[in-house]
Amino acid sequence: DIQMTQSPASLTASVGDRVTITCRASQSISSYLNWYQQKPGKAPKVLIYGASSLQSGVPSRFSGSGSETDFTLTISSLQPEDFATYYCQQSYSTLFTFGPGTKVDIK
Amino acid sequence: QVQLQESGPGLVRPSETLSLTCTVSGGSIGTYYWSWIRQPPGKGLEWIAYIYYSGTTNYNPSLKSRVTISVDTSKNQFSLKLSSVTAADTAVYYCARQSRDFGGTWFDPWGQGTLVTVSS
Repeated sequence: DIQMTQSPASLTASVGDRVTITCRASQSISSYLNWYQQKPGKAPKVLIYGASSLQSGVPSRFSGSGSETDFTLTISSLQPEDFATYYCQQSYSTLFTFGPGTKVDIK
Repeated sequence: QVQLQESGPGLVRPSETLSLTCTVSGGSIGTYYWSWIRQPPGKGLEWIAYIYYSGTTNYNPSLKSRVTISVDTSKNQFSLKLSSVTAADTAVYYCARQSRDFGGTWFDPWGQGTLVTVSS
């Protein structure tokens, strides 16, 4: 299995802050990395696919970068509706695996 | 716009079989891969299995011995069966469509999820 890790596990930030979340794969996954946002009681929603492609309808303050084993999700200016848990997911292997999540809380 | 809706019992007894159905509306189940994903309360996401509309399947090895996924194109539905359940199988179960291109495979859209509790 390809193991995914994320850091930090949680963070506290203010509206307007720039936020960066890191995801690391246990082996190279090229750019087959996706990011999801999940709010309490809701299904996850894809934000970024292919490491850096913005899903249609997702605000441009979200961006993704990285390749091989190290990836980042950046929120350029945190908005109230962005407080949620964020997950990365690899599709290099068809045994799809997710990271443990990063919870973004309000300061 | 494609929408997915999970249905099935919310309570399953230990050692019995969990059965869920995902109904796809607003589009055809054809030409796409479809997955089941679960999330234990307060925990992360675990991919369970996928099926192609033609019937090709792929399972998570950790669950493969207990899981069966099937598709009914005439009803625009796909289904999940998980046998010999224990409390560890208590989770919100989501169905989702797999989108694919050069960037890989991602899940979009998702159903709203259904909580299945394993308890006597």
